[in-house]
Amino acid sequence: DTGVSQDPRHKITKRGQNVTFRCDPISEHNRLYWYRQTLGQGPEFLTYFQNEAQLEKSRLLSDRFSAERPKGSFSTLEIQRTEQGDSAMYLCASSLWTKKEKLFFGSGTQLSVL
Amino acid sequence: KNEVEQSPQNLTAQEGEFITINCSYSVGISALHWLQQHPGGGIVSLFMLSSGKKKHGRLIATINIQEKHSSLHITASHPRDSAVYICAVRNSGNTPLVFGKGTRLSVIA
Repeated sequence: DTGVSQDPRHKITKRGQNVTFRCDPISEHNRLYWYRQTLGQGPEFLTYFQNEAQLEKSRLLSDRFSAERPKGSFSTLEIQRTEQGDSAMYLCASSLWTKKEKLFFGSGTQLSVL
Repeated sequence: KNEVEQSPQNLTAQEGEFITINCSYSVGISALHWLQQHPGGGIVSLFMLSSGKKKHGRLIATINIQEKHSSLHITASHPRDSAVYICAVRNSGNTPLVFGKGTRLSVIA
């Protein structure tokens, strides 16, 4: 257990539905990252926060995706109008931002869009 | 954008063998990470390198900044080492990590 928890572990949804995932980072960590991983690929960066500020968003993050970290603690990732291509593992990682940043990953949320 | 290439993609080894996994990247970096991913998704950070060599137990990581290349070595491999090993790089101090596709290692008893 890395101390980063994600909920739910698995989500099955029908195309067109909205889904929301939650990530609880290690409490003193100021950075929180969202990644997406498909089978046989490495994680792809989606977005990250420093405290409550969203500092960068990948071009992969279409208008249907939104992420928040309202109080600089937990974060949510919402996907609206899901598509089959959204099926993937969504990974959250947190860190204490220093020159020697080490990431701690959650176990991920596996999304299947039918 | 940095391109991160790992080789081999898949590796099967007999227990006790010495294993090497390679990582090459295209643009100068501030740091390189080696991570381990077990089935079910959990990713654990193994090493962070900016130069030289690091050792932890049976794992050794090296980096050659001039050649833009890093290697992860596992000595006396064991079936519990079976996992996907991922290389990730950071271009500059404040940018997110760019990940390779990973190397799937299977160690057979």
